[in-house]
Amino acid sequence: DVKVTQSSRYLVKRTGEKVFLECVQDMDHENMFWYRQDPGLGLRLIYFSYDVKMKEKGDIPEGYSVSREKKERFSLILESASTNQTSMYLCASSTRQGPEKLFFGSGTQLSVL
Amino acid sequence: DQQVKQNSPSLSVQEGRISILNCDYTNSMFDYFLWYKKYPAEGPTFLISISSIKDKNEDGRFTVFLNKSAKHLSLHIVPSQPGDSAVYFCAAEFYNTDKLIFGTGTRLQVFP
Repeated sequence: DVKVTQSSRYLVKRTGEKVFLECVQDMDHENMFWYRQDPGLGLRLIYFSYDVKMKEKGDIPEGYSVSREKKERFSLILESASTNQTSMYLCASSTRQGPEKLFFGSGTQLSVL
Repeated sequence: DQQVKQNSPSLSVQEGRISILNCDYTNSMFDYFLWYKKYPAEGPTFLISISSIKDKNEDGRFTVFLNKSAKHLSLHIVPSQPGDSAVYFCAAEFYNTDKLIFGTGTRLQVFP
């Protein structure tokens, strides 16, 4: 079974803090993704990575950065958290094989106060 | 610009009846479509998919229909069960990139 683990289920941070969201997958998948889910907006792609040390911007990268130093780990960084970054953050991995495409973690609900 | 749209935010269906969830897309270059299901406090899980070369794919109680000329796909669940109550997202992909564009989701409630 593919497992994608996000380090925190709930996180509360203050405006201006630097925030790290961690994601680890155990299936040797090449590709990893960060989405955020907001009511009425669905899932929107923030950043993705097809290989170690590689990153590409998704549809809403502003205010975020990522790090992929190891194949199994993909970190999302909020350089200076703002209230409009309060959201559910979902990490996913994939291997470009099989019909399922993305395997998601359980999500991190981030509140920025 | 929303490339994948789910115009019904919610749907309520009686147990045993058919649930039909709809999805429209604007980019004709999409060549693979998927449906994911999401329960509260869990990540989305894959439900069923369809390639653009097909117009129907069936898996048990779930069937996805694709109408390329209308840029429309639908998910049929027959018969609906209370455990099907969840948020359903359609998603589209092009060129086997695994980069999925998601719709806004439809919350399905199946009542006894």
